[in-house]
Amino acid sequence: EAQVTQNPRYLITVTGKKLTVTCSQNMNHEYMSWYRQDPGLGLRQIYYSMNVEVTDKGDVPEGYKVSRKEKRNFPLILESPSPNQTSLYFCASSNAERFYEQYFGPGTRLTVT
Amino acid sequence: KQEVTQIPAALSVPEGENLVLNCSFTDSAIYNLQWFRQDPGKGLTSLLLIQSSQREQTSGRLNASLDKSSGRSTLYIAASQPGDSATYLCAVLSTNTGNQFYFGTGTSLTVIP
Repeated sequence: EAQVTQNPRYLITVTGKKLTVTCSQNMNHEYMSWYRQDPGLGLRQIYYSMNVEVTDKGDVPEGYKVSRKEKRNFPLILESPSPNQTSLYFCASSNAERFYEQYFGPGTRLTVT
Repeated sequence: KQEVTQIPAALSVPEGENLVLNCSFTDSAIYNLQWFRQDPGKGLTSLLLIQSSQREQTSGRLNASLDKSSGRSTLYIAASQPGDSATYLCAVLSTNTGNQFYFGTGTSLTVIP
């Protein structure tokens, strides 16, 4: 089954404790993104990657890191999480063959205390 | 910077009514426009994708149109049902800002039985 998977689905952590949210897709998509969704602000792109070893900042990259060492994986790293990073995070993938139609993962709800 | 707006923010209609959701964007340099549905606390489900060269797309009771020059798209839902109750989001892939995706904040639809 074609899908985007994210882990963990729920995470409660404390300020300053490094964490990684994993994202994997099995559709051979070259474009992958991370978003955060906050009430009243909608989905905002954090980082995106057009292909392996290519990453670019979205609108809200501060406090986040990403890497794209393999085509299928695009982990999101929070080196020192803060309470303002409490949010619902989505990973998505797409490719040129399907005109960059985005497919989304199920979301990761992160709470930083 | 691309800005995407969806009006109204919330809409309540009786079952069976035909309705139109609106999406506008400020920069016409887009590759595509995609409509999504999101149920509370859930991920995003793709409804329709319109390439920049297309005027409309249809899927079942849904019809989406795109007027790129005026920066507008509409999602038409025919014969609404209570199961259509959800938040509807539109997103554009903007080519003037390095191939970034931008989302509107959504229209929350309630269909009353």
